[in-house]
Amino acid sequence: KNQVEQSPQSLIILEGKNCTLQCNYTVSPFSNLRWYKQDTGRGPVSLTIMTFSENTKSNGRYTATLDADTKQSSLHITASQLSDSASYICVVSARGNEKLTFGTGTRLTIIP
Amino acid sequence: ETGVTQTPRHLVMGMTNKKSLKCEQHLGHNAMYWYKQSAKKPLELMFVYSLEERVENNSVPSRFSPECPNSSHLFLHLHTLQPEDSALYLCASSLGRGAGYGYTFGSGTRLTVV
Repeated sequence: KNQVEQSPQSLIILEGKNCTLQCNYTVSPFSNLRWYKQDTGRGPVSLTIMTFSENTKSNGRYTATLDADTKQSSLHITASQLSDSASYICVVSARGNEKLTFGTGTRLTIIP
Repeated sequence: ETGVTQTPRHLVMGMTNKKSLKCEQHLGHNAMYWYKQSAKKPLELMFVYSLEERVENNSVPSRFSPECPNSSHLFLHLHTLQPEDSALYLCASSLGRGAGYGYTFGSGTRLTVV
C-alpha cells in the first residue's frame, strides 16, 4: 500500500532558526515528490517538485532533498521567518498512476 | 490568489439543509478535483473530472453530489450531511492527469455541520 509518513507532526522554533522536516514514503514505482506549504485557512501551494534523478532543489530559503534509495525526503528551512508558520505537506506520485499519496503534514510554528 | 477560486469560504449548515460549494478556474486546466481535508488526516480524494467527465468517485457517500457543467466550473452539492462531514473541502485543478502534472488548489470551503 502506498503511504507517506511525515515527521515531526508539529514543530515550534524561534524566528531566525533553521529546521528540517522529514518525509518517508513507500510509493512505488516512484515518479516525483512535491512539498506543499499550506497557510491556515488556505489551500496548499507547491514549493518544490523532485524527480528520481534529483538530489537537491532549492526555492529561496527552502531546500528539499531526495534519497530515492532510502525513499526519504527532507525540507530544510533556513533563517525562518514568522510567515513560514504553516503546515508542510509531502505528496508523492507513482509512475503510471494518476493518484497522489499525501502525507498528514508537519505543523510548523515560528515564534518571535 | 492561485487562480482557483472557491466559494463560499465558510459554511455552517444543519443536517437537513441542502447547499452547494462552487469552484472556478480560468487556468485552462482540463482536470478538476474535490478533496476533503480533516484534522490530522491526509487529503482524501473525493471526485475527479477530466474534460468535464467524471472519471473517479472514491466511494463517497451519495449525500455528496458533484457537477461539472464545463471545464472551468465544478460544484459539490450537499444534502443531509452528518457532523463527521465537517471539514475543509478543497478544489484543485491540473492541466492534465498523470504524475507529471502539478495541482493548483483553491483556498477551500470550511464546512461545519451542526
